[in-house]
Amino acid sequence: DTGVSQDPRHKITKRGQNVTFRCDPISEHNRLYWYRQTLGQGPEFLTYFQNEAQLEKSRLLSDRFSAERPKGSFSTLEIQRTEQGDSAMYLCASSGTGYLNEQYFGPGTRLTVT
Amino acid sequence: AQTVTQSQPEMSVQEAETVTLSCTYDTSESNYYLFWYKQPPSRQMILVIRQEAYKQQNATENRFSVNFQKAAKSFSLKISDSQLGDTAMYFCASPFTGANNLFFGTGTRLTVIP
Repeated sequence: DTGVSQDPRHKITKRGQNVTFRCDPISEHNRLYWYRQTLGQGPEFLTYFQNEAQLEKSRLLSDRFSAERPKGSFSTLEIQRTEQGDSAMYLCASSGTGYLNEQYFGPGTRLTVT
Repeated sequence: AQTVTQSQPEMSVQEAETVTLSCTYDTSESNYYLFWYKQPPSRQMILVIRQEAYKQQNATENRFSVNFQKAAKSFSLKISDSQLGDTAMYFCASPFTGANNLFFGTGTRLTVIP
């Protein structure tokens, strides 16, 4: 088990472009979470999947953001028409459904919108 | 509202000394879990220690221990015999009950000085 992986690790894009990030959770985990972390802040929840179903979305997840987990394995987070305010670290985490529901985090994708 | 507050943006400690990081939270739930996560520079977030609110005994993991005061809604982290590898951002977090996402504090940047 190699843990949660995310790709790419860094992304620089121009304002108005679309970007897509990928997250591969720990293989036996059926829950997957996306968080956004801006400089000097703690992570903020964006959305949550159980298997392939997206069960919860934060108000932070505007219409320009969409997330999928088509086969209940990896997930993608797409941001359309990026804005400078989207610049942040995007973290993915996964967990099982057992006791304590401990979340394991990936290394994150750092997005810079110029 | 469910919130997590860390009032110490930065702290430093001499190597081998002990340091305590503070965390307070607000919730109306009676049973919940609390976590301390460590985020080393440019590395992924890892779980340091967990506490279940219904347990009166404070959790301990090697050099890390907590002081959990449920009535005061306080959850501090004590690091004993600080090591250079303890230099990191530390986040207090909880899913509270019924939430699938973690609520994070703003973090405390800890620097261990040789």
